[in-house]
Amino acid sequence: KAGVTQTPRYLIKTRGQQVTLSCSPISGHRSVSWYQQTPGQGLQFLFEYFSETQRNKGNFPGRFSGRQFSNSRSEMNVSTLELGDSALYLCASSKGAEQPQHFGDGTRLSIL
Amino acid sequence: GQQLNQSPQSMFIQEGEDVSMNCTSSSIFNTWLWYKQDPGEGPVLLIALYKAGELTSNGRLTAQFGITRKDSFLNISASIPSDVGIYFCAGQLASGSRLTFGEGTQLTVNP
Repeated sequence: KAGVTQTPRYLIKTRGQQVTLSCSPISGHRSVSWYQQTPGQGLQFLFEYFSETQRNKGNFPGRFSGRQFSNSRSEMNVSTLELGDSALYLCASSKGAEQPQHFGDGTRLSIL
Repeated sequence: GQQLNQSPQSMFIQEGEDVSMNCTSSSIFNTWLWYKQDPGEGPVLLIALYKAGELTSNGRLTAQFGITRKDSFLNISASIPSDVGIYFCAGQLASGSRLTFGEGTQLTVNP
């Protein structure tokens, strides 16, 4: 059974650019959540989508946005990149709210 | 906001020893989960707990959902080298699927 797939695995950008990350959830999972992982802040919730609707949003600036498509695949976008955006971005999928979340291997974003 | 305090931050043990780590929260959670993360990979779900007082095992791993719903612990028995990694606790409220994570416990197992 395929797990959560995130692409790309690694990305290098410069300050001021924007980036789009992709996540394909486990088949049958309709909820997709995004997290940012950094050494200093740990794992922080970004947002959650269910049936193409954002249901929850974490405490991140508006430069961070996302969307979900009808096939449950999700993308997140970060605009006007800053050095502090360097992190591992993890996507997790679940069948629904309160169901266990399963994570992909993340996209490692480095900002130069 | 909610915070999870996870301890210890790191553990150095000999192969064969038992390990215990725990998480405490200032808030009540409806679900507690434990994940393990290896370098370069995403967290892998180990155990999910849904009821206060619940004790659940997964092989050599045992976890409990505290009675107060504000804490959880994870035990690993007879540790082996492949247990090396970072273990995270996470709490989930009924109101949505947002996970709040602990800071992680770095486990090192010496053969």
